[in-house]
Amino acid sequence: AQSVTQPDIHITVSEGASLELRCNYSYGATPYLFWYVQSPGQGLQLLLKYFSGDTLVQGIKGFEAEFKRSQSSFNLRKPSVHWSDAAEYFCAVGPNTGFQKLVFGTGTRLLVSP
Amino acid sequence: NAGVTQTPKFQVLKTGQSMTLQCAQDMNHEYMSWYRQDPGMGLRLIHYSVGAGITDQGEVPNGYNVSRSTTEDFPLRLLSAAPSQTSVYFCASADGNYGYTFGSGTRLTVV
Repeated sequence: AQSVTQPDIHITVSEGASLELRCNYSYGATPYLFWYVQSPGQGLQLLLKYFSGDTLVQGIKGFEAEFKRSQSSFNLRKPSVHWSDAAEYFCAVGPNTGFQKLVFGTGTRLLVSP
Repeated sequence: NAGVTQTPKFQVLKTGQSMTLQCAQDMNHEYMSWYRQDPGMGLRLIHYSVGAGITDQGEVPNGYNVSRSTTEDFPLRLLSAAPSQTSVYFCASADGNYGYTFGSGTRLTVV
């Protein structure tokens, strides 16, 4: 069965510090991979996606993610966190053929301390 | 503004009542989906559609009904509301390249 694991429910990072959010997936074939961000009371916004090619992908707002096939991971990173990055982050996977159904992880809530 | 519009934003229902959550998109996307978001469970797919007249079940379809008579609209019907359907509901549409756009959500409480 397809699944996405985000092992950290909450993470607190000091403003200006680096960030890494973990994501592991279980999938029968090579999936497409995504990171979304959700601000309070809002819908989801796509940060970045990986389909193929270079395993380090750049996204919006200074985020990047690295696909590691051997570890079934797609961790999200940012070198310097800003207070406005406080939000909930979701990792998602989808098939590379057929209907584009997304399977989401349970999310990681990022808190940014001054 | 182009995007996905969901109405209403908030709704309180009594157990057993029925209602329809509206979703409309103006991007001419073929794919549309309904998700529910519950604390600690992420987003779970309820129903989806790959085009007008074509719908299918997702992970948690029980108690919900959908139809897609036009490309633009994808309403979600709660047939007989139950407290377990208290949740935040998101509609999303997608182009052919996983370009998902999410609505801002409907917060539903069933008492």
